[in-house]
Parts: sequence; C-alpha cells; structure tokens
Amino acid sequence: GENVEQHPSTLSVQEGDSAVIKCTYSDSASNYFPWYKQELGKRPQLIIDIRSNVGEKKDQRIAVTLNKTAKHFSLHITETQPEDSAVYFCAAPSSGSARQLTFGSGTQLTVLP
Amino acid sequence: NAGVMQNPRHLVRRRGQEARLRCSPMKGHSHVYWYRQLPEEGLKFMVYLQKENIIDESGMPKERFSAEFPKEGPSILRIQQVVRGDSAAYFCASSNDYNYGYTFGSGTRLTVV
Repeated sequence: GENVEQHPSTLSVQEGDSAVIKCTYSDSASNYFPWYKQELGKRPQLIIDIRSNVGEKKDQRIAVTLNKTAKHFSLHITETQPEDSAVYFCAAPSSGSARQLTFGSGTQLTVLP
Repeated sequence: NAGVMQNPRHLVRRRGQEARLRCSPMKGHSHVYWYRQLPEEGLKFMVYLQKENIIDESGMPKERFSAEFPKEGPSILRIQQVVRGDSAAYFCASSNDYNYGYTFGSGTRLTVV
C-alpha cells in the first residue's frame, strides 16, 4: 500500500517567518495530495490540496508544491501567525483506491510570538 | 449544512462492554471513512464504506470491530468487548462523488476503564 513519510515531526518558527513541511509518497500513480490542519482537541480540516496535473497551488499565505518525479510534496506557510499553531497532516491516496487516504504522521507547528 | 455529525462526542465504557459510534455524513456525500487517532499520533485508516457496502476494511482489526452504512441512517462503528487499548479518538469523514477531499466529523473520544 501507499507509504507517506512526513518531516519534521515538530517545527517552531518565530511569528512572521515561513514554515515548510515536507512529505514523500511511494505510489507513483497517486494523483491527489491534500493537507489538513488539526488544532488541539478539534477535527482535522482541509486547508489546501493539489492534483498531479499542476506543480504548485497557492491560497493566500498557504501554498503546496508537488514534485512528481521525486514523489514529494510540501506545504509552505508564509508570514506565520500564532493561530497557525496546530498539527498539520499530509495525505496521499492509498494504492488501489483513489478515495482512501493514507496520512502522514503529522507535524506539530508552533509559532512563537 | 450541518457537516459530518458524530455522536457521542465522548464515550466511557468498562472493559468487556460494547461501544457503538455513529456518523452521519454531509448531505450529498455517499462515501464514509473511519479513522482512529491515538494521543499525539496520526490518523490510521480503519474502513471505507458506501451505502450498504464495505469497500475496504483492511485497516480494521479482524476481531471485535465491525462497521456498517445502512441504506437508511448513519454509519455505525461497533467495537465489541472493548479493551483499554481501544481508547482513542475515532474520526469519521465523508466525501462526495466529485471530489476526493474529506470533511471530518468532530470525533468520538472513547475511554475504556
């Protein structure tokens, strides 16, 4: 099945700096890559996703880049704010089922004021 | 749109009892997924269902766990003879026929005492 590796597991940045979280996947047929944000005690929420026919997608301070050759994708958050502090999960479709997602192990992002 | 509704939010069971977790997907969503999350860990896939069908249950333990999504009513995740190791947050998510992105419910936090 699909194997999704996520790094780093924890990340601390100063408010206003950028944060980058990286994920690799194993199945070259994967074509959909979402990112979820989970605040403490809350549900995971989709913040951005990208399909394999594009290399980058932006939504205000958040962007995702995809390198299909290297089989990795990254989340970029610019001008970080304290409310960006949360756990971020990447995901990729499980082999054999485009709808079933395998999640990375998560990155605890802390934005220091 | 009420989103994905899960109940109960918190469930306490004694060892050996049964736990029944319910999930109503978003209106218009026919795909339902159950994930388990241990404290400070990622989301582990359990089962993927559509109405009256189990599509993939490869992540669900063979014994004591079962899931259904009947023609009428919510999806049910059932855990029989619970043990302390079953204590976790169980999240349900749903998606529609046109997009792969998940909408998660608020989760059921199961505590086995």
